[in-house]
Amino acid sequence: GAVVSQHPSRVICKSGTSVKIECRSLDFQATTMFWYRQFPKQSLMLMATSNEGSKATYEQGVEKDKFLINHASLTLSTLTVTSAHPEDSSFYICSGRYSLAKNIQYFGAGTRLSVL
Amino acid sequence: QQPVQSPQAVILREGEDAVINCSSSKALYSVHWYRQKHGEAPVFLMILLKGGEQKGHEKISASFNEKKQQSSLYLTASQLSYSGTYFCGTRDSASYGKLTFGQGTILTVHP
Repeated sequence: GAVVSQHPSRVICKSGTSVKIECRSLDFQATTMFWYRQFPKQSLMLMATSNEGSKATYEQGVEKDKFLINHASLTLSTLTVTSAHPEDSSFYICSGRYSLAKNIQYFGAGTRLSVL
Repeated sequence: QQPVQSPQAVILREGEDAVINCSSSKALYSVHWYRQKHGEAPVFLMILLKGGEQKGHEKISASFNEKKQQSSLYLTASQLSYSGTYFCGTRDSASYGKLTFGQGTILTVHP
């Protein structure tokens, strides 16, 4: 299958700081990438859809000013958690859409964010 | 609306079979199955498109009943490596390519 690299895998930060997470498609061009949030033992909740060269589309209830998404190239999307607080602590996972026709998504390994 | 998976958890011994179900209240275009191990990325298993098809992947296969908007994942002669959380992701005509994931089914295979 196609490979998506996500970095960093784990980050610990102080409350009030900003954290950037990178998501790269290594062997395919992902015009669309998705950002998910996953709480322990729970499902993947879609936060936003990131389209190369345009503004991201956020799901209802997701603060766009808090979770900044940039998709500047066909292989890179970034999620910046601004002014992070303890309640933002979670597992964040990105995916790249490999097949437009079938909407097959390949996932990155995820980023564990802990805000102290 | 989130698809409903059943059962929530399954415990097996090596070699036993299991079935995981995924049901939706919406008319589906496709169903995607993923397996996630703790702390790792979900791994794509297979996709089933509208049309009631059945597909196989090693000893793991799946079916999609379009009339019932239900998909089932079949794991036969389970191996230790099958342990993990299985998610179904559904796509309907109004989802604009997005997937909505079920709550997951935890599968544990013991020696």
